[in-house]
Amino acid sequence: DAKTTQPTSMDCAEGRAANLPCNHSTISGNEYVYWYRQIHSQGPQYIIHGLKNNETNEMASLIITEDRKSSTLILPHATLRDTAVYYCIVSSSGTYKYIFGTGTRLKVLA
Amino acid sequence: NAGVTQTPKFQVLKTGQSMTLQCAQDMNHEYMSWYRQDPGMGLRLIHYSVGAGITDQGEVPNGYNVSRSTTEDFPLRLLSAAPSQTSVYFCASSYSKGQASEKLFFGSGTQLSVL
Repeated sequence: DAKTTQPTSMDCAEGRAANLPCNHSTISGNEYVYWYRQIHSQGPQYIIHGLKNNETNEMASLIITEDRKSSTLILPHATLRDTAVYYCIVSSSGTYKYIFGTGTRLKVLA
Repeated sequence: NAGVTQTPKFQVLKTGQSMTLQCAQDMNHEYMSWYRQDPGMGLRLIHYSVGAGITDQGEVPNGYNVSRSTTEDFPLRLLSAAPSQTSVYFCASSYSKGQASEKLFFGSGTQLSVL
């Protein structure tokens, strides 16, 4: 299973873009990159996912490098409500072991 | 749709007691899984199921049993509770029709304390 590496914590000013990096250098060709976030002790919430191409939805954008070894989640205009732990995971093709890791604790500052 | 429902929300056990954490989903999802989250830590996969009658182990399966007799339900059993099993437990589900490209839906969690 591909593993991911994320910074432990990051700060971002309110209204600015938050760029959260993730390394997944051992990802295989048919594995997707997913992003989730967890606010306080709630259940994690899906944000976005992608395979090769960049993706955008109402919550965020996902930029995947051409070699697929890393990706960046972009929250274009961070608000205080975006303060959360953000998890980058890669799907394990055919075995469904979604391994979460410890994530990045993002704090949005007023 | 209620989504993924976990019961109970809180539970206190004594060491050695057994109990079952319930998880039900009404979205006709094939894939269901259980995670535990210790204080200040990420989520660790305990067991998962890709359909009725099919279960498999995750990262930390010891001390837990699961079964999947219906598509809707995926209970997690603690056979003999230990203090090390004090944690918050999350259940998750997804469609996952043979392709690992479906998002997970999570329940609100069960906070378990073992004394």
